Amino acid sequence: AQSVTQLDSQVPVFEEAPVELRCNYSSSVSVYLFWYVQYPNQGLQLLLKYLSGSTLVKGINGFEAEFNKSQTSFHLRKPSVHISDTAEYFCAVSFNYGGSQGNLIFGKGTKLSVKP
Amino acid sequence: EADIYQTPRYLVIGTGKKITLECSQTMGHDKMYWYQQDPGMELHLIHYSYGVNSTEKGDLSSESTVSRIRTEHFPLTLESARPSHTSQYLCASIPFSGSYEQYFGPGTRLTVT
Repeated sequence: AQSVTQLDSQVPVFEEAPVELRCNYSSSVSVYLFWYVQYPNQGLQLLLKYLSGSTLVKGINGFEAEFNKSQTSFHLRKPSVHISDTAEYFCAVSFNYGGSQGNLIFGKGTKLSVKP
Repeated sequence: EADIYQTPRYLVIGTGKKITLECSQTMGHDKMYWYQQDPGMELHLIHYSYGVNSTEKGDLSSESTVSRIRTEHFPLTLESARPSHTSQYLCASIPFSGSYEQYFGPGTRLTVT
């Protein structure tokens, strides 16, 4: 069965430090990968996506992620975080098969807390 | 960027009431989705639609129902609300056929007392 695992439920980090939020998936078919951010009492906003091509993708707000097919991972990184990056981050996968094509499966989320 | 609207944003209602959560988008998107998100938890797909008169149940069983009579409108209805329905409900849509990035509305936070 397909699944998405976000390895850290909470990540505390100091302002201007680098951060990596980890995401692994399990699938026997080709996938599309996404990272979303959710601020309190808001919907989800797309940070970045991998559909094909270069395995290093850049998104909004200085975030980037690297698709590693052999390790089935799609970790999110930012070299220097700001207080405003405090939010919950969701990794999501779309499995390219059958009638559910385009439907997303989400990880449990990682709460990023940036401290001054 | 897609414009997706959800109303109400917050709703507190008593047990047994019928409620309808509204979701609409102005971009003519074919595919629309409803997710349920409990506090601090992941999103679970409860309903989706690939177009007018098309509705399917998602991965998480839900007592809610949906309809898709118009392309831009995808309402979710609970015939008799219960405290177990307390959650956040998020609506999403996909801009065009072949695109997989879903755009989300702001959500409706439902509390059933």
